[in-house]
Amino acid sequence: AQSVTQLGSHVSVSEGALVLLRCNYSSSVPPYLFWYVQYPNQGLQLLLKYTSAATLVKGINGFEAEFKKSETSFHLTKPSAHMSDAAEYFCAVSTGKLIFGQGTTLQVKP
Amino acid sequence: DVKVTQSSRYLVKRTGEKVFLECVQDMDHENMFWYRQDPGLGLRLIYFSYDVKMKEKGDIPEGYSVSREKKERFSLILESASTNQTSMYLCASSSLYADTQYFGPGTRLTVL
Repeated sequence: AQSVTQLGSHVSVSEGALVLLRCNYSSSVPPYLFWYVQYPNQGLQLLLKYTSAATLVKGINGFEAEFKKSETSFHLTKPSAHMSDAAEYFCAVSTGKLIFGQGTTLQVKP
Repeated sequence: DVKVTQSSRYLVKRTGEKVFLECVQDMDHENMFWYRQDPGLGLRLIYFSYDVKMKEKGDIPEGYSVSREKKERFSLILESASTNQTSMYLCASSSLYADTQYFGPGTRLTVL
């Protein structure tokens, strides 16, 4: 069975600092992997997705994620956090239907 | 742009009431989904539909039913609302063979 684990339910960074949100997955077949972002009182918006074309995936708003098969990871990064990045982030795996992680709330301090 | 709309942003109902949550998408997508979102649990799939009048149970279908009479509209029904169904409900859609789902803004349901 497929599953997704996001390490850390809350992450706090200073404005301008590196953002690193961790995601590990388990899947018996090559997965499609996604990161979604949810701003307060809104639905989910697709940040980026991995579909086996390239291991480093660039998304919107300066985010990127690297697929590492050996580590079964798909961590999300952004070099420099902005106040507007404060939101909840979800990692998801798809092998037919989407399985979501528990979510990580990103706080950005001024 | 894909647009998925949900009939209400906030809803307050009483225990035992029948509740309808409506979702409409404007991209002619075949697949539609209903999730509930709870803190610490992420999103959990309640039901999905891949065609008009077709439905499949997700991971937590108990206490819910769905209806899809038209391609663009997918309704979630709580036959007799209970307090443990207080949650955020999110609707999503995708095209038939695509993995990317597009989400509506959500309905925050409170059952008193």
